[in-house]
Amino acid sequence: GQQVMQIPQYQHVQEGEDFTTYCNSSTTLSNIQWYKQRPGGHPVFLIQLVKSGEVKKQKRLTFQFGEAKKNSSLHITATQTTDVGTYFCAGPRGDYKLSFGAGTTVTVRA
Amino acid sequence: NAGVTQTPKFRILKIGQSMTLQCAQDMNHNYMYWYRQDPGMGLKLIYYSVGAGITDKGEVPNGYNVSRSTTEDFPLRLELAAPSQTSVYFCASSTAGTKLYEQYFGPGTRLTVT
Repeated sequence: GQQVMQIPQYQHVQEGEDFTTYCNSSTTLSNIQWYKQRPGGHPVFLIQLVKSGEVKKQKRLTFQFGEAKKNSSLHITATQTTDVGTYFCAGPRGDYKLSFGAGTTVTVRA
Repeated sequence: NAGVTQTPKFRILKIGQSMTLQCAQDMNHNYMYWYRQDPGMGLKLIYYSVGAGITDKGEVPNGYNVSRSTTEDFPLRLELAAPSQTSVYFCASSTAGTKLYEQYFGPGTRLTVT
């Protein structure tokens, strides 16, 4: 079945640095969603991308959907301690379900 | 709105015991889901429901059962608990509309089976 793969699994970042996490699908996606889960917390919806090549920004977070709608990326600039957590991408599976990637767990060195 | 609520927050079960994880949402969402999350892993779908009276299996349904008698409630039943069911369980709900399939998650139930 359709799966989304995320890399890297872990990202250790110096505070103030930038980093990017990637999400890849074996099939074309109608849309892709990103969620953030703080340590000990629950996933929280961040954003949804629908159009080919779409780029959306939320403050220091930039989300991009690939031209072929098979990949997506999340780029964080000037990482802060508040960015700690696991970031998941998710693509639709059928009409009502999502297939979540395994996530990228981000830790920040002050 | 309280959003999605789950009870209990924590539970320890002995092997072979049974329990029901409760989930409720007050957003009038049609779609509800149960996921399990093992340490360092992503979310695996256990069961889902597209409306009251309608449920279907997800990726990992063995050892679990669900029911959906109302729009608001979607309990998950564990029969004959096994150590492999030690996990964090999340309930989620969503609606199809301008934000397609955006899911709202509850705070989770941390279950240990020993």
